[in-house]
Amino acid sequence: AQSVTQLDSQVPVFEEAPVELRCNYSSSVSVYLFWYVQYPNQGLQLLLKYLSGSTLVKGINGFEAEFNKSQTSFHLRKPSVHISDTAEYFCAVSDLSGGSYIPTFGRGTSLIVHP
Amino acid sequence: DGGITQSPKYLFRKEGQNVTLSCEQNLNHDAMYWYRQDPGQGLRLIYYSQIVNDFQKGDIAEGYSVSREKKESFPLTVTSAQKNPTAFYLCASADGTDTQYFGPGTRLTVL
Repeated sequence: AQSVTQLDSQVPVFEEAPVELRCNYSSSVSVYLFWYVQYPNQGLQLLLKYLSGSTLVKGINGFEAEFNKSQTSFHLRKPSVHISDTAEYFCAVSDLSGGSYIPTFGRGTSLIVHP
Repeated sequence: DGGITQSPKYLFRKEGQNVTLSCEQNLNHDAMYWYRQDPGQGLRLIYYSQIVNDFQKGDIAEGYSVSREKKESFPLTVTSAQKNPTAFYLCASADGTDTQYFGPGTRLTVL
């Protein structure tokens, strides 16, 4: 079964600093990869996704992520964060080889942006 | 405006009571999901449905039931058998690339 590890449960950072949120998944030949964001007391919304093609994926709000097949990683980055980026971020993976259409979610990383 | 709606936003349950959470989508998606979210535990899958009139148990189905009589609707019932139902419940639908679209959530509290 697929597993997803978000290595940091909490990432504090100052406003305008760069940030990287890490995500690793168990090995698979073929996957879809996702990052979602959740603001307090709201549902999740899609930030970006990798389905195929270029390994560098750009999403909303200035975020981007890079798919690294050899390291089975999909880390999320932003060059300069804003206070409004404070939220919970979830990485998710769909394992296309398993025949299941249920993405596996990581436990989430809380990004806290300080002024 | 396409999307997922959940109601109510807040729900209170007394001991021994069944309650039903509503989830509706107008995205024409076949697949729908229910998740439970507790602090620090991420999302846990309760039930999912990939087509009308069919649904499957997820990781934590005990004490919950669902129905899928219409493509647009996937209600979740929290039964009295669920001993610790206080949580944030999220409904989602998915398109053909497994991209999930979430509703705003229902926060259930046991009195």
